[in-house]
Amino acid sequence: DGGITQSPKYLFRKEGQNVTLSCEQNLNHDAMYWYRQDPGQGLRLIYYSQIVNDFQKGDIAEGYSVSREKKESFPLTVTSAQKNPTAFYLCASSIRGRNSPLHFGNGTRLTVT
Amino acid sequence: DAKTTQPPSMDCAEGRAANLPCNHSTISGNEYVYWYRQIHSQGPQYIIHGLKNNETNEMASLIITEDRKSSTLILPHATLRDTAVYYCIVRVAGKETSGSRLTFGEGTQLTVNP
Repeated sequence: DGGITQSPKYLFRKEGQNVTLSCEQNLNHDAMYWYRQDPGQGLRLIYYSQIVNDFQKGDIAEGYSVSREKKESFPLTVTSAQKNPTAFYLCASSIRGRNSPLHFGNGTRLTVT
Repeated sequence: DAKTTQPPSMDCAEGRAANLPCNHSTISGNEYVYWYRQIHSQGPQYIIHGLKNNETNEMASLIITEDRKSSTLILPHATLRDTAVYYCIVRVAGKETSGSRLTFGEGTQLTVNP
């Protein structure tokens, strides 16, 4: 089945460590996105990529970094510079056309202590 | 993108229709209305979208008022598995960065009761 896979589902790290969240899709979508969700709130855009080797900052990019070396993969690194890293992280993808809906993965819940 | 307003919570009896309202009074002529839902601890799921005309698919129907300032998502026969947070979003058509600036508010928590 085609879809988006995020791994792991739960991730625990110590404060001061960088951590990389995985996102892989086999939908042949050009565009990929990373969102963050805090309890009881909506989603906020961190980074997005419309094409391989290109990406743009979203609304809350500080303390995060991404790469897009392959169409299928869009890993997100949460760096030690991110002040409040504990959150639910969601990856999504879409066809690069206009008005195409987003397809989401099932998220990674990151806890930093 | 236009702001949307949704009730924070709603209840519905199993087997009945669930009608979820959304106000988007500042919507522009080229903005689409999208609906997603999110079951606890999962990623949001796309449901339906429309511009002016009413739309229907296998999951739901979308009714958009003639002035486009509000819309209603209809789940015709709600089941317990439809319990989720439902998000109404408006997005400008024609942007190359499709979906990149989707603004998710806090949505409506729909609870379907047995």
